[in-house]
Amino acid sequence: KNQVEQSPQSLIILEGKNCTLQCNYTVSPFSNLRWYKQDTGRGPVSLTIMTFSENTKSNGRYTATLDADTKQSSLHITASQLSDSASYICVVSGVDSNYQLIWGAGTKLIIKP
Amino acid sequence: KAGVTQTPRYLIKTRGQQVTLSCSPISGHRSVSWYQQTPGQGLQFLFEYFSETQRNKGNFPGRFSGRQFSNSRSEMNVSTLELGDSALYLCASSPTAGALSSYNEQFFGPGTRLTVL
Repeated sequence: KNQVEQSPQSLIILEGKNCTLQCNYTVSPFSNLRWYKQDTGRGPVSLTIMTFSENTKSNGRYTATLDADTKQSSLHITASQLSDSASYICVVSGVDSNYQLIWGAGTKLIIKP
Repeated sequence: KAGVTQTPRYLIKTRGQQVTLSCSPISGHRSVSWYQQTPGQGLQFLFEYFSETQRNKGNFPGRFSGRQFSNSRSEMNVSTLELGDSALYLCASSPTAGALSSYNEQFFGPGTRLTVL
C-alpha cells in the first residue's frame, strides 16, 4: 500500500534555531515529492518540488533533500522565525493507474520566542 | 492576480442535510481539484475537474459529487451528511490538467470548514 509517513508529529523549537523534519514513503514507482507549508486556517503553499533525480532543492531558508534509494526526504529549516510556525506536509506522487498524490499527515512546528 | 477563493469559509449543518461548496480558481486556470482534510490525516483527494469534465476521482462514496462550469468555477456537493464529514474542504487550481501526477503546482484556497452536528 502506498504510504507517506512524517516525523515528528509535532515539534517545538526556539526562534533562531534550526530543525529537520522527516518524510518516509513507500510509493512506487515514484514520480515526484513535494513539501508544502500550511498556516493555520489557510490552504497549503508549495515550498519545493523534486523528481527522483534531484537530491537537494532550496527555497530561501528551506532546504529539502531526497534519497530515492531509501525512499526518504527531509526538510531543513535554518534560523527559524516565528512565521515558520505551521504544519509542513510531504506529498508523494506515484505513477499508477490513478495518478494520485499521497499526502502525509504533516508535522506541526511551533516556534517560540 | 487574485488567488483561489472558496465560499463559504465556515458552515454548520446537521446530519442528513446536504451542502454545496463553491470554488473559484485563479484566473486562467482550468483545473480544479477538491480535497478533504481531517485532523491527524493527510489530505484525501476527492476529484479533479478540467474543462467541465471530471478527470480523476478519489475513493469517496457517491454522496460526494462535483461539477465545473464553463468559467472554470467548481462546486462540490455532499448529500445526506454524516458526522464524519466534518472537515476542512480544500480546493486547488492548476493551469493544466494532470496536476496529480505532473510537475504542475497546485494553488490552494483557504478552505471551507464544515461542521456536521
